[in-house]
Amino acid sequence: SAVISQKPSRDICQRGTSLTIQCQVDSQVTMMFWYRQQPGQSLTLIATANQGSEATYESGFVIDKFPISRPNLTFSTLTVSNMSPEDSSIYLCSAGLPNSPLHFGNGTRLTVT
Amino acid sequence: ELKVEQNPLFLSMQEGKNYTIYCDYSTTSDRLYWYRQDPGKSLESLFVLLSNGAVKQEGRLMASLDTKARLSTLHITAAVHDLSATYFCAVDISQGAQKLVFGQGTRLTINP
Repeated sequence: SAVISQKPSRDICQRGTSLTIQCQVDSQVTMMFWYRQQPGQSLTLIATANQGSEATYESGFVIDKFPISRPNLTFSTLTVSNMSPEDSSIYLCSAGLPNSPLHFGNGTRLTVT
Repeated sequence: ELKVEQNPLFLSMQEGKNYTIYCDYSTTSDRLYWYRQDPGKSLESLFVLLSNGAVKQEGRLMASLDTKARLSTLHITAAVHDLSATYFCAVDISQGAQKLVFGQGTRLTINP
């Protein structure tokens, strides 16, 4: 099964700044996704990170706010831009192969002050 | 709008008892996943259900999928304290491309 390393594990950021979260997988995977989870809540899909092309965003999420890169089959980044306190959340990277369990990183706990 | 609804959302039970968590969903899908999350931790995959009638068992947990009823169940047998966690079901809405929509989660507490 894929092992996913995500960093930073947590950060405290000021309003108006940006933070880039990195996700590294120890093997080549077809699918990579970014989720957001408010403490005590469920997971909401932000976008699908497509290798070599623009990410596919879910309703309510836009590229200007959450730019995503995926330069190869093992790495992706998510940037949270122009942050506000409402962006405080846990951001999770996930990756996998079709019809196999989707594996998750340990998450990045972001606090915006 | 796709809905994935778990029932109950909170469950407190005694060790040794049996119980079932239900996951209803509102779209056509034959792929459903169950995950466990411990406080402050990431998600751990429990079961992958890939067809109608699929049943998987691991220890005291058993999951099943009825795609016609759009219902999955996670059954807990003779619960032990170590099973205390939040359990999520997630429906694949992309025919195997693993685009998942998660239920709200069921917070399970097992008391000695």
